[in-house]
Amino acid sequence: GNSVTQMEGPVTLSEEAFLTINCTYTATGYPSLFWYVQYPGEGLQLLLKATKADDKGSNKGFEATYRKETTSFHLEKGSVQVSDSAVYFCALSEGTNAGKSTFGDGTTLTVKP
Amino acid sequence: DAGVIQSPRHEVTEMGQEVTLRCKPISGHDYLFWYRQTMMRGLELLIYFNNNVPIDDSGMPEDRFSAKMPNASFSTLKIQPSEPRDSAVYFCASDSGVTDTQYFGPGTRLTVL
Repeated sequence: GNSVTQMEGPVTLSEEAFLTINCTYTATGYPSLFWYVQYPGEGLQLLLKATKADDKGSNKGFEATYRKETTSFHLEKGSVQVSDSAVYFCALSEGTNAGKSTFGDGTTLTVKP
Repeated sequence: DAGVIQSPRHEVTEMGQEVTLRCKPISGHDYLFWYRQTMMRGLELLIYFNNNVPIDDSGMPEDRFSAKMPNASFSTLKIQPSEPRDSAVYFCASDSGVTDTQYFGPGTRLTVL
């Protein structure tokens, strides 16, 4: 079956530091890949997505590239801000699963001023 | 669009009582998902519907949990009788089925005393 493994947290960084959160996946077909973000007290919301190999998703300074050869979709940001403190979830969705997404366990990021 | 709407936002009840959580998905979305989130177990998919029909309820913890979707704009998750271990944040999400992107509601924080 499908699975998503992401870097264990928590991750604590200083403001303006570089961020990487690793994500690898296992899927039987050709999934779409997602990063969702959950701010305190809120539901998850889509941060970025990529639908095929070598696609790069980007939003709010975050980027992730769909790497089929390494089955990875690592999240990066060049300079984090305090407002980026949140829980980040990597996920995949495969059409054969009729709309169902598989989520990673989430990585908590805390950015200190 | 108002997004996914959940009610109530907070629910405190006593063990043994019936609890009903409600969800209104985004208009036009064909998929609806119920999740539970706890610190110990993370984000768990309980059940999901496609065109108001339950597709996969393998995540429903036990017979005390039931979910219905009587029409395209409303779903309920019921716990009867409730137990303290059911305390969690319950999220509803919907998906158009076209982009595979899930849109989450703000969640219902359930506390069972």
